[in-house]
Amino acid sequence: DAGVIQSPRHEVTEMGQEVTLRCKPISGHDYLFWYRQTMMRGLELLIYFNNNVPIDDSGMPEDRFSAKMPNASFSTLKIQPSEPRDSAVYFCASSPDRGITEAFFGQGTRLTVV
Amino acid sequence: AQSVAQPEDQVNVAEGNPLTVKCTYSVSGNPYLFWYVQYPNRGLQFLLKYITGDNLVKGSYGFEAEFNKSQTSFHLKKPSALVSDSALYFCAVRRLNTGFQKLVFGTGTRLLVSP
Repeated sequence: DAGVIQSPRHEVTEMGQEVTLRCKPISGHDYLFWYRQTMMRGLELLIYFNNNVPIDDSGMPEDRFSAKMPNASFSTLKIQPSEPRDSAVYFCASSPDRGITEAFFGQGTRLTVV
Repeated sequence: AQSVAQPEDQVNVAEGNPLTVKCTYSVSGNPYLFWYVQYPNRGLQFLLKYITGDNLVKGSYGFEAEFNKSQTSFHLKKPSALVSDSALYFCAVRRLNTGFQKLVFGTGTRLLVSP
């Protein structure tokens, strides 16, 4: 398996524009997580899915953020409209079970909003 | 709610010397504990985990960690550091009693190994 695949690797956009980040989890993994990493706040869990259903979105910073998982092999994180303070590295991770197995992370998407 | 504390922002050690990166946790019920490493411009890579059993856990690249329930700690160790170990290290905890799976990370500790 190629691991968790995220696209794009880098994204530069202007304030106010819509940004969509994409993630393909490892096949067979039932859990998918979206994290955000910044210098100030470290690694934050934004939302996670189990069997394509959002379980906990309490980490989503505000209504500008939304995440979907239309099927087991694809998830998106959308920011609309984007703001400079959204600049961060966004990671997607997947895991096959409830907890014994570690989560596998993608390479991340570095988002810069100017 | 579970939480993880990594009290040191940075740890400096000379190559060949032993290293320790500290982690303490707070969780009700049994903890599942993990260490991840992040190299520049890369995602997090799994190093090792504690689920149950022996308190001393061995992982990748010669790292090990000791689970101490009374001190609620899970410190990462290596007997002899390498310059290539320089990276950002994250401790994480997961609680399974709720039936949900949520991995909570610490703020990270930057390890700098000097030649």
